[in-house]
Amino acid sequence: SAVISQKPSRDICQRGTSLTIQCQVDSQVTMMFWYRQQPGQSLTLIATANQGSEATYESGFVIDKFPISRPNLTFSTLTVSNMSPEDSSIYLCSVEDHRTVRLAGGEGEQFFGPGTRLTVL
Amino acid sequence: SQQGEEDPQALSIQEGENATMNCSYKTSINNLQWYRQNSGRGLVHLILIRSNEREKHSGRLRVTLDTSKKSSSLLITASRAADTASYFCATVLKHSGGYQKVTFGTGTKLQVIP
Repeated sequence: SAVISQKPSRDICQRGTSLTIQCQVDSQVTMMFWYRQQPGQSLTLIATANQGSEATYESGFVIDKFPISRPNLTFSTLTVSNMSPEDSSIYLCSVEDHRTVRLAGGEGEQFFGPGTRLTVL
Repeated sequence: SQQGEEDPQALSIQEGENATMNCSYKTSINNLQWYRQNSGRGLVHLILIRSNEREKHSGRLRVTLDTSKKSSSLLITASRAADTASYFCATVLKHSGGYQKVTFGTGTKLQVIP
């Protein structure tokens, strides 16, 4: 299994500022995923980050608002730019269980970080 | 979107009772997974059922999958107060890039009263 840590665990930010969230994995993974969970809601995929290439964004999410870095196989950052109160959410990073997925014909569980709880005033 | 719809949205039961949560989805899948989330924090994987499976057990968990009806259910037997959490189904499709694309359902908030 993969152990994932996120920094910060929570933050309170002012409107118009930006926050960078870090995600660290204890093993090398090809794909990392960033999700947003708005209050009382389910998880929505923001983007998929492959090391060495541009992140792939889901409909409704753009790189200017949520730039992502993926400098190596164990680390990624998500920046929430020019924040507004609507950005108040929990942001979670996730990875596939690469070995299980590879051995099981491409199917396996996802591991999630503990999340970053962001409040924008 | 093939986001799963779950019902009920909220469920309150007494400790020792069984809890059943249902998930419906819209398109074909490779597999379906259930996750638990405590107190709005990180998710914990509970069980995976493949599209060619109909039922799977893991401890006190029983999952069924009916691909013809595009629905799944999660049964927790002999519930405990520690089972209090939000439960999400997640439909999974293999992406052309080789990874799994996971889409989460709306979730069921379960409260188990001691």
